[in-house]
Amino acid sequence: DQQVKQNSPSLSVQEGRISILNCDYTNSMFDYFLWYKKYPAEGPTFLISISSIKDKNEDGRFTVFLNKSAKHLSLHIVPSQPGDSAVYFCAASGTSGGGADGLTFGKGTHLIIQP
Amino acid sequence: KAGVTQTPRYLIKTRGQQVTLSCSPISGHRSVSWYQQTPGQGLQFLFEYFSETQRNKGNFPGRFSGRQSSNSRSEMNVSTLELGDSALYLCASSLRASYNSPLHFGNGTRLTVT
Repeated sequence: DQQVKQNSPSLSVQEGRISILNCDYTNSMFDYFLWYKKYPAEGPTFLISISSIKDKNEDGRFTVFLNKSAKHLSLHIVPSQPGDSAVYFCAASGTSGGGADGLTFGKGTHLIIQP
Repeated sequence: KAGVTQTPRYLIKTRGQQVTLSCSPISGHRSVSWYQQTPGQGLQFLFEYFSETQRNKGNFPGRFSGRQSSNSRSEMNVSTLELGDSALYLCASSLRASYNSPLHFGNGTRLTVT
């Protein structure tokens, strides 16, 4: 049972445009959410996080939106650059009960930025 | 500041053998977590150590074990290797306990079991 779902295995976006990556979760105990970027042969790199007390967090070109009622979060990248081509993972954890299960990751979305 | 370092980068082992993987966290980070990445299952949580104590453990058999030293370095051990243990094993460190602090990953150890 996948508790964190990224329904788009891949996404192609033109350079300079906005990239929107989506993530859905089912566990209502999740209250901390993160996005990671991964290049081949490297470990995931932390991008941005958001706690459930917020609905938006920005860091430079990256913005994460959280819709708790829909159990949905999204990552916006504006403007998209060639170096953004990578696999993006959504992850979630719950602090209730001490966060017993580590981070739960989605299966990833491969973002391709077209020149 | 140096990142998370994992050694070795690649390992080839035979079914039935055991293996030990090593991880040096970012200086000052007290929490170390281990994850397994496979094409079918994605990234899955193995366990987390904080101040030498195992805080949490994922849904993996007892063949998977770990430890953390007083300098926060960590090792992961897999005994009686099976073909299905072939995976990328990722170590990550964080300043605080991982449930509300971003994890910073190393580049992983690629384990192949033949």
